[in-house]
Amino acid sequence: GAVVSQHPSWVICKSGTSVKIECRSLDFQATTMFWYRQFPKQSLMLMATSNEGSKATYEQGVEKDKFLINHASLTLSTLTVTSAHPEDSSFYICSARASPDRVPSGPQHFGDGTRLSIL
Amino acid sequence: AQSVTQPDIHITVSEGASLELRCNYSYGATPYLFWYVQSPGQGLQLLLKYFSGDTLVQGIKGFEAEFKRSQSSFNLRKPSVHWSDAAEYFCAVNSGGSNYKLTFGKGTLLTVNP
Repeated sequence: GAVVSQHPSWVICKSGTSVKIECRSLDFQATTMFWYRQFPKQSLMLMATSNEGSKATYEQGVEKDKFLINHASLTLSTLTVTSAHPEDSSFYICSARASPDRVPSGPQHFGDGTRLSIL
Repeated sequence: AQSVTQPDIHITVSEGASLELRCNYSYGATPYLFWYVQSPGQGLQLLLKYFSGDTLVQGIKGFEAEFKRSQSSFNLRKPSVHWSDAAEYFCAVNSGGSNYKLTFGKGTLLTVNP
């Protein structure tokens, strides 16, 4: 149980285009989803937290207009990298929590990540 | 603010040897602690978690971790390592707040020699 599907797994696109990444919880309802960015050989950096039906909360230093997050349903969140540039190339990972009562012990379940390469 | 320290960036062990990955945390309240494993190019898989009760926690794939409040540690152990255990291991603490965000350590890369 607790499977999170992330799509696409790898995308290459030209500079200036926008890229959408989907994160789906397949067998549970995710009240909260998280988006991370991971640089090579480094840890995960939290970009934003999204709750279903409300605006995402972005971490300090993350551009809201660059990284658009939509959490339209309890099973789907999307991250859109707008007007992507080579410096946006990275590994993006989403995760989802399945604890509607906000029990802190509820773990995050992670997708397999999306490798984004901007040429 | 909470923080997680994984002192070892890279550890190499022989297959069949025992393993201990260190994790120290800094958090003012009762911590909720997690260990995740990441294979190359993939997401993270939860190995085990601690939030209360028995301080020795059993996880998947034969891993266990022990919470020691006096040492602010949550070290991960495995008695006999398999080649398939080679991966990156991340310790994380739940930082509370309304969304219970995770703070990750920088990770420990495990190499297993045949």
